[in-house]
Amino acid sequence: DGGITQSPKYLFRKEGQNVTLSCEQNLNHDAMYWYRQDPGQGLRLIYYSQIVNDFQKGDIAEGYSVSREKKESFPLTVTSAQKNPTAFYLCASKRGRTAEAFFGQGTRLTVV
Amino acid sequence: DQQVKQNSPSLSVQEGRISILNCDYTNSMFDYFLWYKKYPAEGPTFLISISSIKDKNEDGRFTVFLNKSAKHLSLHIVPSQPGDSAVYFCAASDRTGANNLFFGTGTRLTVIP
Repeated sequence: DGGITQSPKYLFRKEGQNVTLSCEQNLNHDAMYWYRQDPGQGLRLIYYSQIVNDFQKGDIAEGYSVSREKKESFPLTVTSAQKNPTAFYLCASKRGRTAEAFFGQGTRLTVV
Repeated sequence: DQQVKQNSPSLSVQEGRISILNCDYTNSMFDYFLWYKKYPAEGPTFLISISSIKDKNEDGRFTVFLNKSAKHLSLHIVPSQPGDSAVYFCAASDRTGANNLFFGTGTRLTVIP
């Protein structure tokens, strides 16, 4: 069953700690994305990767880092430099430009 | 600057009636448009898309209309069902860009039984 999996679904972090969100896909998609959703706002692009070992900053990359060592995996690290990390994070993958993006179920991160 | 805009944050419709969700865009390089449906605490799911070479695409109860001159698209749901209650996002892809999707802020649709 092909799909995109995010884990964990809920995550709590203490202020000043880094935390890594997992995203794995078995759709054989080259492109992967991380979005952030805040209440009343749309999906804002954090980072994206078109191929392995390459990634680009999106609109709100400050305080985040990513890696793309394998085609299937695109983990996102929320660093202590991110001033307002509490949000719902969504990972997506895409086959080509005129194709829909498939999303994971999301990770809700709460800073306590 | 928001390149894809959904100016109505919410919409309520009676069951069985038509729901019309609107979306405007500013980037003339957008040439592929999509609608997604999202339930709380879940990822968005793809509904329907349209290429800029068309002005209408239909899939069951869902129809998307594209007016390129007005840089406007709309999603029609007929007939609306209570299960359609969700947040709907409009998204667009730039023909010159790097395979990204630009999303609107969403419209919360409530279908009243």
